[in-house]
Amino acid sequence: AQTVTQSQPEMSVQEAETVTLSCTYDTSESDYYLFWYKQPPSRQMILVIRQEAYKQQNATENRFSVNFQKAAKSFSLKISDSQLGDAAMYFCAYRSKNRDDKIIFGKGTRLHILP
Amino acid sequence: EAQVTQNPRYLITVTGKKLTVTCSQNMNHEYMSWYRQDPGLGLRQIYYSMNVEVTDKGDVPEGYKVSRKEKRNFPLILESPSPNQTSLYFCASSHSGRVGVQDTQYFGPGTRLTVL
Repeated sequence: AQTVTQSQPEMSVQEAETVTLSCTYDTSESDYYLFWYKQPPSRQMILVIRQEAYKQQNATENRFSVNFQKAAKSFSLKISDSQLGDAAMYFCAYRSKNRDDKIIFGKGTRLHILP
Repeated sequence: EAQVTQNPRYLITVTGKKLTVTCSQNMNHEYMSWYRQDPGLGLRQIYYSMNVEVTDKGDVPEGYKVSRKEKRNFPLILESPSPNQTSLYFCASSHSGRVGVQDTQYFGPGTRLTVL
């Protein structure tokens, strides 16, 4: 069965600095999707970035980028120029392309932004 | 505006009193899902639906029921709620669960349920 692990329950970063959130996963499949979701204090779940496993190029969305290492099964999120509004819980998630069912979430990393 | 809506947003109830949390999406999505979020456990899937009249159990289905009579609606039913079902619940939808199709999930705002 697939698993997703976020080993950092909490992290802090100074405003305007760069921070990297780590995520590892376990799967025997070769094609799948990976996601980072952000959950601010409002409790909404907001998609930050998405990566398709067969694409070697790392996904980027403005200040957010990923370092996708397929062989190592690693999918870290880098936030550049951190802003106060980035403070949130971040969830890494995996979805199979071969099975039409669930998305598997990690337990989350709470990110604090220090002014 | 494309969105997933849930009602109620907050609910306090007592053990054994049946309740329904509604979920509706206006994006014509085929796939819908319910999750519960608990501290230290992340999000865990309760039930999902690939399309109308098609539902399947997720990781933690015990104590819950769902139905999918219409494409846009996917209510979550707690027939006899218990305190261990106190949680934050999210409904989500995506275009399809089918292989290879755009499948980014869009989440509702969440329902905070407390069972006394």
